[in-house]
Amino acid sequence: DVKVTQSSRYLVKRTGEKVFLECVQDMDHENMFWYRQDPGLGLRLIYFSYDVKMKEKGDIPEGYSVSREKKERFSLILESASTNQTSMYLCASAAPPVYGYTFGSGTRLTVV
Amino acid sequence: DAKTTQPNSMESNEEEPVHLPCNHSTISGTDYIHWYRQLPSQGPEYVIHGLTSNVNNRMASLAIAEDRKSSTLILHRATLRDAAVYYCILKNAGNNRKLIWGLGTSLAVNP
Repeated sequence: DVKVTQSSRYLVKRTGEKVFLECVQDMDHENMFWYRQDPGLGLRLIYFSYDVKMKEKGDIPEGYSVSREKKERFSLILESASTNQTSMYLCASAAPPVYGYTFGSGTRLTVV
Repeated sequence: DAKTTQPNSMESNEEEPVHLPCNHSTISGTDYIHWYRQLPSQGPEYVIHGLTSNVNNRMASLAIAEDRKSSTLILHRATLRDAAVYYCILKNAGNNRKLIWGLGTSLAVNP
């Protein structure tokens, strides 16, 4: 079975900390995505990557950066965590455009 | 980007069929209709997708209107494990990035 693995299910960080969220896929997909999900707002795209070292901003990139040094790994970085970044973070990967996304189980991040 | 409209919530009884509607009146000719579901505390899970013809797989069936302005996800026999939020998404064949996620339909299944 294909898999997208997120390194942590739950994280608690302090305001101002630098936070790394890791995502690994084993499907050799070129496209990878980071979303955040908040009640009443649905899934919102933060960043995506269509190839190694390539990235594009999504709809809400402020306060975040990403890194994709290897095809299978896509990292989301919160440069200086703030309480409004408390959320569920979801990583996904996708094959050619007509096929579906595969999501990880999510990381619930709480910033205190 | 084309959007979809779904009811906020629906309810079903166990072992009965469930028809989850989705309207997408501004769909373009190269938009595929995708359905995902999200169980509590999990990431969304791909269910099915189609372009023009009805589709069946082990999880569900997808019925697409002739004018493609609406579709229906059909769960043939609902189980308690089907209680989830179901999302109908349009995915453009030429653009792997732009998915617009609404709030989906929250399906409750009664025993």
